[in-house]
Amino acid sequence: ILNVEQSPQSLHVQEGDSTNFTCSFPSSNFYALHWYRWETAKSPEALFVMTLNGDEKKKGRISATLNTKEGYSYLYIKGSQPEDSATYLCARLTGTASKLTFGTGTRLQVTL
Amino acid sequence: SQTIHQWPATLVQPVGSPLSLECTVEGTSNPNLYWYRQAAGRGLQLLFYSVGIGQISSEVPQNLSASRPQDRQFILSSKKLLLSDSGFYLCAWRLLSGTGGINEQFFGPGTRLTVL
Repeated sequence: ILNVEQSPQSLHVQEGDSTNFTCSFPSSNFYALHWYRWETAKSPEALFVMTLNGDEKKKGRISATLNTKEGYSYLYIKGSQPEDSATYLCARLTGTASKLTFGTGTRLQVTL
Repeated sequence: SQTIHQWPATLVQPVGSPLSLECTVEGTSNPNLYWYRQAAGRGLQLLFYSVGIGQISSEVPQNLSASRPQDRQFILSSKKLLLSDSGFYLCAWRLLSGTGGINEQFFGPGTRLTVL
């Protein structure tokens, strides 16, 4: 993996479904992995900053895990709601510890 | 509390015209500042970042330049816009902690630039 990659590109689920998506990144020179939620017509907002291998963080119905050795992170949403509809971005903090390299995002749409 | 401002919110400019987008941060000191662009159908691309006044790092060769004349002011400019400069421009700030910078970034409201 040379760049930050996210899959799937888009996802359409029904209200109440649980879902997850993947962020893959280069495992060398790892500093941190960020997750952001970007709702339409708003600014991206940080969900999690993860640094340690095996980290698991949770905010309400959303949680994330981190594997720095193999270079991936999963974001889980339990019981999706329409207000969860957004693009979810992951970003890797690179070796200079100043820059974030973003993936292209997973666009989630939750319908009733 | 900290806030970040960007203006204008939208801009339509002809090819070959100059550009100036401004970003200011309030409520913090010595932040790292960033300019990102999201082109149509693409992810967020880091254009420039700055760790201090007058210090600018460019990430990709391009038709744009950035300046940081004051601690909390970051300006994105171009002398002559190209069609490919169209996109959504986001400014962001972040503080570096003593542990080397694992803090989140905070984004501004963005500027939608259309070059015709």
